[in-house]
Amino acid sequence: GAVVSQHPSRVICKSGTSVKIECRSLDFQATTMFWYRQFPKQSLMLMATSNEGSKATYEQGVEKDKFLINHASLTLSTLTVTSAHPEDSSFYICSARGARGQGNQPQHFGDGTRLSIL
Amino acid sequence: AQTVTQSQPEMSVQEAETVTLSCTYDTSESDYYLFWYKQPPSRQMILVIRQEAYKQQNATENRFSVNFQKAAKSFSLKISDSQLGDAAMYFCATITDNYGQNFVFGPGTRLSVLP
Repeated sequence: GAVVSQHPSRVICKSGTSVKIECRSLDFQATTMFWYRQFPKQSLMLMATSNEGSKATYEQGVEKDKFLINHASLTLSTLTVTSAHPEDSSFYICSARGARGQGNQPQHFGDGTRLSIL
Repeated sequence: AQTVTQSQPEMSVQEAETVTLSCTYDTSESDYYLFWYKQPPSRQMILVIRQEAYKQQNATENRFSVNFQKAAKSFSLKISDSQLGDAAMYFCATITDNYGQNFVFGPGTRLSVLP
């Protein structure tokens, strides 16, 4: 089945560092990818929708200058947490949806990235 | 806008017994899909079962089945013959048929399986 690869799985870094997380669709073209954030014991919250070749659409309350999203190809989206601070520590999950017309196909999730800012 | 509600933050079941997790949703869309995802401690999101809203027949996947009540906007998950490996967070989710739309997740139900 379709696979989404997300890297890295774990990041620990100092405050002020910028961190890039990659989300790749391995065997299908993902024109749309989604970035979610999950706090402990809570549900997934959509941060932004990443569209190949165009600007990402951010959810209300998500700082686009803090969370930079790039979707330069049909198989890769990146999320960069710029100048990360301890409050940015969280679990970030990407997902990808396949081609148009596959509305009943579920989104395929990456395994997530646990980000810890010291 | 779509919303998903899971009224049971935590549930527990004895091994080999049956448990039902509740989910209600609200949507103005006519074409949509419903899903149950399992998130074990590894935090991977694992698809358990899905249901197309236009189908009246309840979806079934081995020990997992749903009770889909479209008029009531209810989508409960039944787990039969519960196993220790079923212990996880379970999220109910909905998505429209509009391409580019994201999942809307419920708050989750933490299921414990007692030996």
